Amino acid sequence: SAVISQKPSRDICQRGTSLTIQCQVDSQVTMMFWYRQQPGQSLTLIATANQGSEATYESGFVIDKFPISRPNLTFSTLTVSNMSPEDSSIYLCSVEFGRPNYGYTFGSGTRLTVV
Amino acid sequence: GENVEQHPSTLSVQEGDSAVIKCTYSDSASNYFPWYKQELGKRPQLIIDIRSNVGEKKDQRIAVTLNKTAKHFSLHITETQPEDSAVYFCAASMVRGSARQLTFGSGTQLTVLP
Repeated sequence: SAVISQKPSRDICQRGTSLTIQCQVDSQVTMMFWYRQQPGQSLTLIATANQGSEATYESGFVIDKFPISRPNLTFSTLTVSNMSPEDSSIYLCSVEFGRPNYGYTFGSGTRLTVV
Repeated sequence: GENVEQHPSTLSVQEGDSAVIKCTYSDSASNYFPWYKQELGKRPQLIIDIRSNVGEKKDQRIAVTLNKTAKHFSLHITETQPEDSAVYFCAASMVRGSARQLTFGSGTQLTVLP
């Protein structure tokens, strides 16, 4: 499976600021996914990022709040903009790997606390 | 879109007993069903998965069953050990637009009592 390096692992940020999370994959992947996991909750898909095109956002998530970059097949960033305490969560990137039997693996996550 | 329901939300078993977690999904187009284990502060780790062309898969103490007609799948852990204690998530994958996407269940907190 693919190996993902995600950073930062955690951060404490002031409200109103922005944080950019990075994910680097050790192989080329077509799709990268960004999830949010609120405390004690399941994983919610924020957006799907395909290299060379704009990310596709799920209902309830907008590009102005969560801009995503996907400059190449091994890298993506998610920015959490104009943060409020409600944005305190774990953010995870994920990739699909393998052909023809595909699977999904996750980065180690970014634990964000907004104060 | 896909909707995945997972039960129970918490499960306590005695060490050595079996644990069963059940999930249902709504979209018959879903064709891949992974199970993830998430320990506190860690990333979700894939423990077993099943595709829609098989009904059962086993890996040592862990097994997954799939009933496509009823649209439900289950995780079975036998001879549970304290290190099995974690949150378990089921998920279903389906094609949406140009991408396959995972939809997760709400999770089950499994506690194995020594």
